[in-house]
Amino acid sequence: GQQLNQSPQSMFIQEGEDVSMNCTSSSIFNTWLWYKQDPGEGPVLLIALYKAGELTSNGRLTAQFGITRKDSFLNISASIPSDVGIYFCAGQFGGIQGAQKLVFGQGTRLTINP
Amino acid sequence: AAGVIQSPRHLIKEKRETATLKCYPIPRHDTVYWYQQGPGQDPQFLISFYEKMQSDKGSIPDRFSAQQFSDYHSELNMSSLELGDSALYFCASSYDRGRVYNEQFFGPGTRLTVL
Repeated sequence: GQQLNQSPQSMFIQEGEDVSMNCTSSSIFNTWLWYKQDPGEGPVLLIALYKAGELTSNGRLTAQFGITRKDSFLNISASIPSDVGIYFCAGQFGGIQGAQKLVFGQGTRLTINP
Repeated sequence: AAGVIQSPRHLIKEKRETATLKCYPIPRHDTVYWYQQGPGQDPQFLISFYEKMQSDKGSIPDRFSAQQFSDYHSELNMSSLELGDSALYFCASSYDRGRVYNEQFFGPGTRLTVL
């Protein structure tokens, strides 16, 4: 089935450092998404990417949709303690009326040392 | 703002028992997706509904069934539970605006433990 390869699987950084993670796929997606999940909670959308090559920022977060529509990266600048959590990339093929299932990467667990 | 509500938040069952998980979408949302997230795993799509009709199906076991009711809430029914069914079950809702992507809002999940 479809699979997204996300790396790294875990990161241990110092507060204030920049973070970078990426996802690749053998499939072409219509939309790429980046989510953050806190323990015991549902994923929360951070950034959505719609166009190949698109670079989008949301505060300290920056994400880009690869030209081939098969990859994406997420950067977090100047990390703070509340950035701790699991980050998932997700791809979506498009479709209508309930046919927009998400395919998730394996996740990147971010730990920050104060 | 109102969010997706899932109940119960935690559920403990024995093997071979049945379980029913409920999802109440954000008001005016017409689409519901169910995902299963095993320990340390990424969420996997199970099934979706649009306007009370099943829309798409993923890796959902035959022992599971689901439906969306007239008030748009959805229930996931799980029978003959197995140890491997222990997982977080998320419901996500969206409003179909006719776009190729409509944002899915996730609920807090139901943690099912099968003993």
